[in-house]
Amino acid sequence: GEDVEQSLFLSVREGDSSVINCTYTDSSSTYLYWYKQEPGAGLQLLTYIFSNMDMKQDQRLTVLLNKKDKHLSLRIADTQTGDSAIYFCAEKSYNTDKLIFGTGTRLQVFP
Amino acid sequence: KAGVTQTPRYLIKTRGQQVTLSCSPISGHRSVSWYQQTPGQGLQFLFEYFSETQRNKGNFPGRFSGRQFSNSRSEMNVSTLELGDSALYLCASSQQGADEAFFGQGTRLTVV
Repeated sequence: GEDVEQSLFLSVREGDSSVINCTYTDSSSTYLYWYKQEPGAGLQLLTYIFSNMDMKQDQRLTVLLNKKDKHLSLRIADTQTGDSAIYFCAEKSYNTDKLIFGTGTRLQVFP
Repeated sequence: KAGVTQTPRYLIKTRGQQVTLSCSPISGHRSVSWYQQTPGQGLQFLFEYFSETQRNKGNFPGRFSGRQFSNSRSEMNVSTLELGDSALYLCASSQQGADEAFFGQGTRLTVV
């Protein structure tokens, strides 16, 4: 079945690292994504990883994938107040553009 | 390059009415997907279109329908609106088989 889970809330101090976790169940997932949503806005694609990769780094963002445990994480280094938003992980299977989203993690950054 | 454009941004409708939402994908993108976002259910997949054909459909009642035109623009229609249809409707576009899907700003529908 298709199910993607995330913790609901994360609070970090400005300048610290944030780690947002996600677990998924569909073993046929080919791509895994991280999207950011700010209040009143649509979804902004942050980064994604192909399922045969373990890690991907893009500036302050690091994605780790443990395919055996179906666990995905997003690490944001040097978290800033502008990073405060809801973060969604999503999975996509082969030969479809349908995304299955997690519940979203609200990241709050305090000074 | 223009992003995904959804119109209108905001809509208020009364129960029983119908509504049509529009999505213009990024130029060159032929795949369009629609999602409903509500506080209770989160982001749920509605439909996926490619080259005017519906490739996939989510678990929504038949009141929800969509279509895609030859220029890849897509519309979704909701008939006999219910209060529970109040949501942010998001559209995403991608190139076929591409890694990335880009979202529009959404249409916020309020049913009163």
